[in-house]
Amino acid sequence: TQLLEQSPQFLSIQEGENLTVYCNSSSVFSSLQWYRQEPGEGPVLLVTVVTGGEVKKLKRLTFQFGDARKDSSLHITAAQPGDTGLYLCAPVSGYALNFGKGTSLLVTP
Amino acid sequence: DAGVIQSPRHEVTEMGQEVTLRCKLISGHNSLFWYRQTMMRGLELLIYFNNNVPIDDSGMPEDRFSAKMPNASFSTLKIQPSEPRDSAVYFCASSSRDSPLGYTFGSGTRLTVV
Repeated sequence: TQLLEQSPQFLSIQEGENLTVYCNSSSVFSSLQWYRQEPGEGPVLLVTVVTGGEVKKLKRLTFQFGDARKDSSLHITAAQPGDTGLYLCAPVSGYALNFGKGTSLLVTP
Repeated sequence: DAGVIQSPRHEVTEMGQEVTLRCKLISGHNSLFWYRQTMMRGLELLIYFNNNVPIDDSGMPEDRFSAKMPNASFSTLKIQPSEPRDSAVYFCASSSRDSPLGYTFGSGTRLTVV
């Protein structure tokens, strides 16, 4: 059984701070996706990382896939209130995605 | 493109009643996924359809749950009879043949069973 952990579970920071959230697993994955979910809405795909060691940037968001393809991190620089939401990682294994429980981020002005 | 459309957005029902949740896929998408989200368990895959055919329903919790896809653009998830522990947010997501793991989620149906 695949064990997937996201940390921290909750994070509350002030606007302008930097933060990193983590997604760790006991299994190796072919690729991994990150989603952001805002209150009252469904998750929205942010990025897919495929290659071990890969780094992708999306404006102030930096995503990294571990060399062993068992873990990933998301770093946000100079967080803004609009970054508030639930960040979910979803390793790709087979035809459907299995999501972690996510990191709930609150950015206050 | 209107995206994945779910209805209703909110449903409050009494224990024992039948509940039907609806999902309209994005035009051209051929895969459909139903998920359930709770604080305790996060997002759980309930069932996956490909080209209108159920491929994996191992996540459907009990026989009280059933899902159908009568055509390529529409799906229903039915709970009969409903129980308080079914209270959750139910999402459907669709993806296309060209991007099978590029999920587009609907806004969800928040179900409360009292």
